Amino acid sequence: GAGVSQSPSNKVTEKGKDVELRCDPISGHTALYWYRQSLGQGLEFLIYFQGNSAPDKSGLPSDRFSAERTGGSVSTLTIQRTQQEDSAVYLCASSSTSGPYREQFFGPGTRLTVL
Amino acid sequence: GNSVTQMEGPVTLSEEAFLTINCTYTATGYPSLFWYVQYPGEGLQLLLKATKADDKGSNKGFEATYRKETTSFHLEKGSVQVSDSAVYFCALSEGGSQGNLIFGKGTKLSVKP
Repeated sequence: GAGVSQSPSNKVTEKGKDVELRCDPISGHTALYWYRQSLGQGLEFLIYFQGNSAPDKSGLPSDRFSAERTGGSVSTLTIQRTQQEDSAVYLCASSSTSGPYREQFFGPGTRLTVL
Repeated sequence: GNSVTQMEGPVTLSEEAFLTINCTYTATGYPSLFWYVQYPGEGLQLLLKATKADDKGSNKGFEATYRKETTSFHLEKGSVQVSDSAVYFCALSEGGSQGNLIFGKGTKLSVKP
């Protein structure tokens, strides 16, 4: 079946602009995670959604970052007033349920470049 | 807080060589441990996992044993192939219902024919 998809695959923007990154999880997966992969920081957890519960935003680096998940499926990560340090690959993952034992399936990522 | 430390690369080996990539962790409680692999141009995918002490995860000839006494989860393969060239990430999942992953920095492996 289809895996996790993300769009766009690449995004180049100017400093100060807002960007939206989209994630389509595997159908039926209730848990959805966003991570960021950057040269300096490696892979960092950003935010977690489980079903219709309130998301865990503990990994978001600043209030310029926000995310939503509509209808328990598609998720959008929004970065407002982008800065050069936001340049990274943003990865989305989903799993059939949450918890420490469940395999997370990752999308191919969106490479964001802030000029 | 919880963290994962893995050996820095890049690691370059000849085909059929023995591979070890070291990974140690710091965690409160009893995390689950994972190795993820990222092949060139592809997304991250789970290679193997272990959910409790002394468990051995294995897949595609790779193995790793959850060692609580040394807080380690070293990745090994007896005979690497060119197709194993990739970036390998050690990760832990904290206890509780959430399950978000904490990753090491990644180790790039290049296998030469």
